[in-house]
Amino acid sequence: DIQMTQSPSSLSASVGDRVTITCRASQGISHYLAWYQQKPGKVPKVLIYAASTLQSGVPSRFSGSGSGTDFTLTISSLQPEDVATYYCQNYNSAPFTFGPGTKVDIK
Amino acid sequence: EVQLMESGGGLVQPGGSLRLSCAASGFTFSSYAMSWVRQAPGKGLEWVSAISGSGGSTYYADSVKGRFTISRDKSKNTLYLQMNSLRAEDTALYYCAKGQGIVVMTTSWFDPWGQGTLVTVSS
Repeated sequence: DIQMTQSPSSLSASVGDRVTITCRASQGISHYLAWYQQKPGKVPKVLIYAASTLQSGVPSRFSGSGSGTDFTLTISSLQPEDVATYYCQNYNSAPFTFGPGTKVDIK
Repeated sequence: EVQLMESGGGLVQPGGSLRLSCAASGFTFSSYAMSWVRQAPGKGLEWVSAISGSGGSTYYADSVKGRFTISRDKSKNTLYLQMNSLRAEDTALYYCAKGQGIVVMTTSWFDPWGQGTLVTVSS
């Protein structure tokens, strides 16, 4: 099975900061990687699929990159409403594992 | 508008059974693979099971294989998860989620998700 890791597990940044979250797959998954945002008490919401394609309606300050085993989610200018936990997910092959999550809050 | 509405959660004793349902609307149900994803209290997301649009292919996490069965009813636009031999570690909020293609592989990124139904396994 493919294992997904994320770093850091949590971070605190100021409004306007550039934030980068890394996700690594234990074996190559091509570009079959999605990123989700889950705000406290809310349902997860997809931000990015196919590693770098922004889902409709998602603010352009979110971007994704990578292929194979190493992927990155970037928030170009952190906003208060971005406080959430972010998860990556492999969908190349079952089991469709999620990363452990990265909790983002405002400094 | 695509909508998913889960039901069937509740309190069950260890070793017991429960069947979850997910009523789908706003899209051609049989054209999309569907999945169940769970989240234990205060924990991360765990994919549980997936089924192709036709219902002919099913997949399970090792943690539930042999105990859970996923199915779908095209006539009722409903997804099911039959959960047997429940354990305390199955306690979680169970979400149904829509895939992006009729097959499961390489299309199972999830949008949208339902609101979830809570399953508590305790004596």
